[in-house]
Amino acid sequence: TQLLKQSPQFLSIQEGENLTVYCNSSSVFSSLQWYRQEPGEGPVLLVTVVTGGEVKKLKRLTFQFGDARKDSSLHITAAQTGDTGLYLCAGVGGAQKLVFGQGTRLTINP
Amino acid sequence: DARVTQTPRHKVTEMGQEVTMRCQPILGHNTVFWYRQTMMQGLELLAYFRNRAPLDDSGMPKDRFSAEMPDATLATLKIQPSEPRDSAVYFCASGLVSDGRGLSNQPQHFGDGTRLSIL
Repeated sequence: TQLLKQSPQFLSIQEGENLTVYCNSSSVFSSLQWYRQEPGEGPVLLVTVVTGGEVKKLKRLTFQFGDARKDSSLHITAAQTGDTGLYLCAGVGGAQKLVFGQGTRLTINP
Repeated sequence: DARVTQTPRHKVTEMGQEVTMRCQPILGHNTVFWYRQTMMQGLELLAYFRNRAPLDDSGMPKDRFSAEMPDATLATLKIQPSEPRDSAVYFCASGLVSDGRGLSNQPQHFGDGTRLSIL
């Protein structure tokens, strides 16, 4: 069974601070996705990383895929209250099946 | 924007009752996934369909859960009989998976879920 572990599970910081969320696995994935989920809604895809070592930026969010394609990180610069939410990483396996991590619940305080 | 539509959004019922959750995938998507989300287990894949055919339902309790796609615009997930441990948010997602004829993979789009409470 391919498992993804996210850390930390909970993170509460002040607006303007930087943060990093980690997603680790013992298995190799063909690609990895990051989602953001808000209360009462389904997860929304933020980014897909495919190549080992790949770095993608989405405004203040920077996503990195590990060289061995087993781990990934999400770094947010100058966090804003609108960044509050549940961040999920998901490994993409065969037939486009997703294996999700437990998620990191992020709270940005004003 | 095209969206995956799930109904009902909320369902509260007593244990032993049948529960049916419905999903309308995005038009043109050939793959439909059912997930369950709980605080303890996170998001788990229950079953998925490709071109309406069930491909994998290994994540689903077989004795009480069933998933079908009567047509391309409707996927259903049924629980009979329901139990309190089935309480969770159930998500449907649809996506386009390459069939080797020039289509490229497209990411999954999730609906907003059905919040199910079994008393």
